[in-house]
Amino acid sequence: KQEVTQIPAALSVPEGENLVLNCSFTDSAIYNLQWFRQDPGKGLTSLLLIQSSQREQTSGRLNASLDKSSGRSTLYIAASQPGDSATYLCAVMDNSGYALNFGKGTSLLVTP
Amino acid sequence: GAVVSQHPSRVICKSGTSVKIECRSLDFQATTMFWYRQFPKQSLMLMATSNEGSKATYEQGVEKDKFLINHASLTLSTLTVTSAHPEDSSFYICSAPTGWNSPLHFGNGTRLTVT
Repeated sequence: KQEVTQIPAALSVPEGENLVLNCSFTDSAIYNLQWFRQDPGKGLTSLLLIQSSQREQTSGRLNASLDKSSGRSTLYIAASQPGDSATYLCAVMDNSGYALNFGKGTSLLVTP
Repeated sequence: GAVVSQHPSRVICKSGTSVKIECRSLDFQATTMFWYRQFPKQSLMLMATSNEGSKATYEQGVEKDKFLINHASLTLSTLTVTSAHPEDSSFYICSAPTGWNSPLHFGNGTRLTVT
């Protein structure tokens, strides 16, 4: 069974800092990996999707990398802003189908 | 972009009653929809996969008679929590893909509180 782990569980940084969120997974046989943002009490917003054949994806200040062989992904956030404060979830789609296996998330707080 | 609408966003019910949660794909057809549950400080856990026109597939440990799923059309899936109990209080969220190996789009979730 695929297990997804996210480190750290919580992170607090001052505005303007660059930061890295980590995600690891146990089964490298994946279709894709997706990073989401979850605001308190809200649904999920898809940030980046990396196909299993890709190494990274970029969107604005966000960059996600994927090293499938080592079972790792990182989400890099450049020049963090208070509006980036949220929980960031990593999810892996494995060979069983569409469904995603989620990590517990990293709770990010960016202070002004 | 693709939108998934989920209703209600919040519901409070008494123990023993049933609650229906709707998940709609607004601008695309979803032959498959997923239902997740999230307890406080826990990760999202897949409950079941809803397939249009056929029976849902439930994850191990999820009672199919308690969590009834209906996917009668290509744009609507419903989750009914029957005879709800306080331990069913949780955040329920649905999602649907626009295609194979495509990003999943999520509803905004339903906060269920059973008193």
